[in-house]
Amino acid sequence: EIVLTQSPGTLSLSPGERATLSCRASQSVSSSYLAWYQQKLGQAPRLLIYGATSRATGIPDRFSGSASGTDFTLTISRLEPEDFVVYYCQQYSSSPITFGQGTKVEIK
Amino acid sequence: EVQLLESGGGLVQPGGSLRLSCAASGFTFSSYAMNWVRQAPGKGLEWVSVMSGSGSSTYYADSVKGRFTISRDNSKNTLYLQMNSLRAEDTAVYYCAKKSGYFDLWGRGTLVTVSS
Repeated sequence: EIVLTQSPGTLSLSPGERATLSCRASQSVSSSYLAWYQQKLGQAPRLLIYGATSRATGIPDRFSGSASGTDFTLTISRLEPEDFVVYYCQQYSSSPITFGQGTKVEIK
Repeated sequence: EVQLLESGGGLVQPGGSLRLSCAASGFTFSSYAMNWVRQAPGKGLEWVSVMSGSGSSTYYADSVKGRFTISRDNSKNTLYLQMNSLRAEDTAVYYCAKKSGYFDLWGRGTLVTVSS
């Protein structure tokens, strides 16, 4: 099973700042089969990024993803008030599908 | 409108059973694999099970294998999850999610509480 470790657990930033969220895989994630989701309190997750770098339909371009080996990054270029929620990474390279434990972005 | 709507959650005693449903609309249901993903209160996401569009292939997380059964009725655009021998640790919001691999559409979820 591929274990995904997200860091930091909580990120404290101000609106307008840049957020950098990390997701490290315990083993190779083939073909960059990694996705990022945003989850607001009391709501279902929403797909942001798939294939490590491709934005999902309707996702603003301030969200971007990158990959380097087993390290994956979600970057939010300029934080908007609605971005202060929880983010999860997920790998779909091998079974079982696994998620990271989440990063909470909070207002500083 | 493209959407998924789960139902069937509730309070059940340990060892009991429950069947969840997920009604799909706005897309060609039979063309897509469908999944169940759960989230325990205050915790992260856990993938539970997937079924192919035709229904010919199924996979389960080890934590539910042998207790849960996924199925679908493509004529009714509905996905199901039969949950037997329920345990306290199965308490969670259960989401259905569309697609194989990454999940591009999620339902709002249905809460299952296993408690005596």
